Amino acid sequence: DQQVKQNSPSLSVQEGRISILNCDYTNSMFDYFLWYKKYPAEGPTFLISISSIKDKNEDGRFTVFLNKSAKHLSLHIVPSQPGDSAVYFCAVMEYGNKLVFGAGTILRVKS
Amino acid sequence: DTGVSQNPRHKITKRGQNVTFRCDPISEHNRLYWYRQTLGQGPEFLTYFQNEAQLEKSRLLSDRFSAERPKGSFSTLEIQRTEQGDSAMYLCASSFSGLDTEAFFGQGTRLTVV
Repeated sequence: DQQVKQNSPSLSVQEGRISILNCDYTNSMFDYFLWYKKYPAEGPTFLISISSIKDKNEDGRFTVFLNKSAKHLSLHIVPSQPGDSAVYFCAVMEYGNKLVFGAGTILRVKS
Repeated sequence: DTGVSQNPRHKITKRGQNVTFRCDPISEHNRLYWYRQTLGQGPEFLTYFQNEAQLEKSRLLSDRFSAERPKGSFSTLEIQRTEQGDSAMYLCASSFSGLDTEAFFGQGTRLTVV
């Protein structure tokens, strides 16, 4: 029973265009959501988060949107850069600040 | 470097041997987490500590696994009688204990059981 699903294993985008990564969750009680980025042979790096009291959070080129009724969140990267190529994990926070991760989406930004 | 530090970065061991990994969290953080990541999957929670107290263990953590955090600083994760299925990336993370605080991860220890 996957609580967090990232249905697109990979995404390829041209440099300068928008990258949209999607994530669905099953439990409407989740109230804090995060995105992490991971390069090969490194640990995940925190990117951006959003609380359930908001529907949008923006940090530079990165924006996270939350649709609570659909139990869906998305990460927008505009403009995409080659250095953004990495694996992106969506995560929800449980009691004790434990994280439940999706399987990840590999983003390739082509120059 | 004040980030989360894990040692060793890589470990190759023969099946049946015991291995121990170390994690040094960010010094101000009172919570420390262990996760395991296998190929094509996201990290999966194993266990976490608040200061020196181990507050929760996942069902993934079999009896062969034990974790400690003496004095509430660094932590060790030991796997006894390793099996090939234990091959994975073991990630440590630390955070403050307040609500909605993000965790910071170390670079992980890659375990290969041959």
